[in-house]
Amino acid sequence: GNSVTQMEGPVTLSEEAFLTINCTYTATGYPSLFWYVQYPGEGLQLLLKATKADDKGSNKGFEATYRKETTSFHLEKGSVQVSDSAVYFCALSSGAGSYQLTFGKGTKLSVIP
Amino acid sequence: NAGVMQNPRHLVRRRGQEARLRCSPMKGHSHVYWYRQLPEEGLKFMVYLQKENIIDESGMPKERFSAEFPKEGPSILRIQQVVRGDSAAYFCASTPGQGNTDTQYFGPGTRLTVL
Repeated sequence: GNSVTQMEGPVTLSEEAFLTINCTYTATGYPSLFWYVQYPGEGLQLLLKATKADDKGSNKGFEATYRKETTSFHLEKGSVQVSDSAVYFCALSSGAGSYQLTFGKGTKLSVIP
Repeated sequence: NAGVMQNPRHLVRRRGQEARLRCSPMKGHSHVYWYRQLPEEGLKFMVYLQKENIIDESGMPKERFSAEFPKEGPSILRIQQVVRGDSAAYFCASTPGQGNTDTQYFGPGTRLTVL
């Protein structure tokens, strides 16, 4: 079946530091890959997505590249801000069944001034 | 364009009571997914519905849980005879169509507490 593994948190960084959150997946078919962000007490917001191999998703300074050969979709940002503090979820949607999302467990990021 | 709406945002029930959670999809969206998030966990798929049809309920517990999405009105997730283990955040998401490239747009969630 489908599964997503992302790095354990929590991650604490100083403002302007470089961020990487690793995500690897197992899936049938040709999945689409997503990063969602969840701020405290809120729902999930789509951060970026990629729908085929070698696609790069980007938004708000974050980016991730769909690597089929390593089954990975690592999230990166060159310079984090305090406002980036949140929980980040990697997810996939495959063509099997009803296209439901399969999520990783989430990585909590705290950025300190 | 209003986003996905869920109500109530917070719901407290005693063991044995019923919980009803409502989800109104984004305008123009006819596909709804329900997910459950346990504390410190990612979201787990529960059920996928289109108007008047349950398409995939493979993630739903076999007993006490049911879902519907009528022709008119919101989608409803119903939990009968709640137990403490049902305490979680329940999120719904909607999409305009069916496909693995479609973005799912999430509501703010309903946080259920069972006393």
